[in-house]
Amino acid sequence: DTAVSQTPKYLVTQMGNDKSIKCEQNLGHDTMYWYKQDSKKFLKIMFSYNNKELIINETVPNRFSPKSPDKAHLNLHINSLELGDSAVYFCASSPGTSGRDQETQYFGPGTRLLVL
Amino acid sequence: AQSVTQPDIHITVSEGASLELRCNYSYGATPYLFWYVQSPGQGLQLLLKYFSGDTLVQGIKGFEAEFKRSQSSFNLRKPSVHWSDAAEYFCAVSGTYKYIFGTGTRLKVLA
Repeated sequence: DTAVSQTPKYLVTQMGNDKSIKCEQNLGHDTMYWYKQDSKKFLKIMFSYNNKELIINETVPNRFSPKSPDKAHLNLHINSLELGDSAVYFCASSPGTSGRDQETQYFGPGTRLLVL
Repeated sequence: AQSVTQPDIHITVSEGASLELRCNYSYGATPYLFWYVQSPGQGLQLLLKYFSGDTLVQGIKGFEAEFKRSQSSFNLRKPSVHWSDAAEYFCAVSGTYKYIFGTGTRLKVLA
């Protein structure tokens, strides 16, 4: 069973379109995250959610809107896609937000987004 | 400010040779430190983690890392590299509700 899954794995779209990426974890974790990996492989946090509540929004443009319908899901919707949004987006989850094993994050396989 | 530095962007080693990947961190409190590996086109897999206690931690795939507080380092080592170890390696420190990653080190293994 896949612990953290993302769909789709690849996404090719035109500038200006709106798209969504879905993430699901079956680990029973309380905390979920979205990271962006740019073309130079640099990984940076975008959002953190704990118990469906947003706890971090790392200066991400408001074209990006995360939604957590329940603790097991954290979806990412992107409006008006731009060329610079091309990247790999990783979802992750952790048991909690503080203390030892609570902070170990488990990553999904990534969604490779290409905006043309 | 919290940060992680991986000084080596690329490292090339021969199969069977030993490996050390460097990681330096800047963090005010006791850090929780992690090493992840990313194979081409894949996600991130946890190799090992350090929270406290024994400063030498063992991980999967024969990797180990040593925490040195005096040097603010958490270097990853492997005594004998296999061709399948070719990948991108990321060091991370656990910040407030997020990880802070280093820029990664790409490992190439020569046959």
